[in-house]
Amino acid sequence: GAVVSQHPSRVICKSGTSVKIECRSLDFQATTMFWYRQFPKQSLMLMATSNEGSKATYEQGVEKDKFLINHASLTLSTLTVTSAHPEDSSFYICSARDPGTEETQYFGPGTRLLVL
Amino acid sequence: AQSVSQHNHHVILSEAASLELGCNYSYGGTVNLFWYVQYPGQHLQLLLKYFSGDPLVKGIKGFEAEFIKSKFSFNLRKPSVQWSDTAEYFCALLFGGYQKVTFGTGTKLQVIP
Repeated sequence: GAVVSQHPSRVICKSGTSVKIECRSLDFQATTMFWYRQFPKQSLMLMATSNEGSKATYEQGVEKDKFLINHASLTLSTLTVTSAHPEDSSFYICSARDPGTEETQYFGPGTRLLVL
Repeated sequence: AQSVSQHNHHVILSEAASLELGCNYSYGGTVNLFWYVQYPGQHLQLLLKYFSGDPLVKGIKGFEAEFIKSKFSFNLRKPSVQWSDTAEYFCALLFGGYQKVTFGTGTKLQVIP
C-alpha cells in the first residue's frame, strides 16, 4: 500500500515554543491530507483537512491560529503547534488520501509531542 | 450527525478462538466503511474496506467483514485468531460526498497464547 511518513516521531519542547510536524506521502500525490489527534485510550479526532494550494478546513473547536497547517505541495503537509502548552501534549497523526485507491486514507506513524 | 459505534472496548481471546468485533454506524446515505488496525507501537494500517459490490469483504491476514445495510453494521470477523493479532482495531466511516472519515472509539484485542 501507499506510504506516508511523519517527522519527527517524537518531540519534547518547552512551554511557549512552536513545533513543526511534517507529513509526506512517499509514493503518491496527495491533494488532500488530514491531521488527527489521538488522546490516550480514545479514538482519533480529526483536527483539520488540508488541501494542496488552499487554506485548511478546521473542525469545530480546533484553533486555527494555534494549529497552523500548510500544504504547499502534493506530497507535503505541515502542522505547526504554536506557543505550545502542556495541554497540547498528545499523539498527532496525519493521513493522506490516495485518489488512485478509492478514497482510501493512508496513515503516518504519528508524532508524540510532549510539552514541558 | 453521522457516527460510528464500537461496543466492545476490550476483548480477550485465546489463540484459535473466533473473533467478531461489532461496528455500527448512523448515516442514512451512501457509505464507505473501513477497518483499520494499530499494532502496539505501530501506525494505523488498513485491514479492509467496503465501497460497493459484494457486502462480504475479505482483507489482509485472514480478516473479513460483512456490510449489512439493514442493520447499519460492518462487523469484523476472523475464524481463528493468533497472538500476533493483538492490537487495537478501529472501524471508520466515509460518508456521502465528504472527504472526512469518522472513526469509532476502537476495540483493544488481546490474544492469549
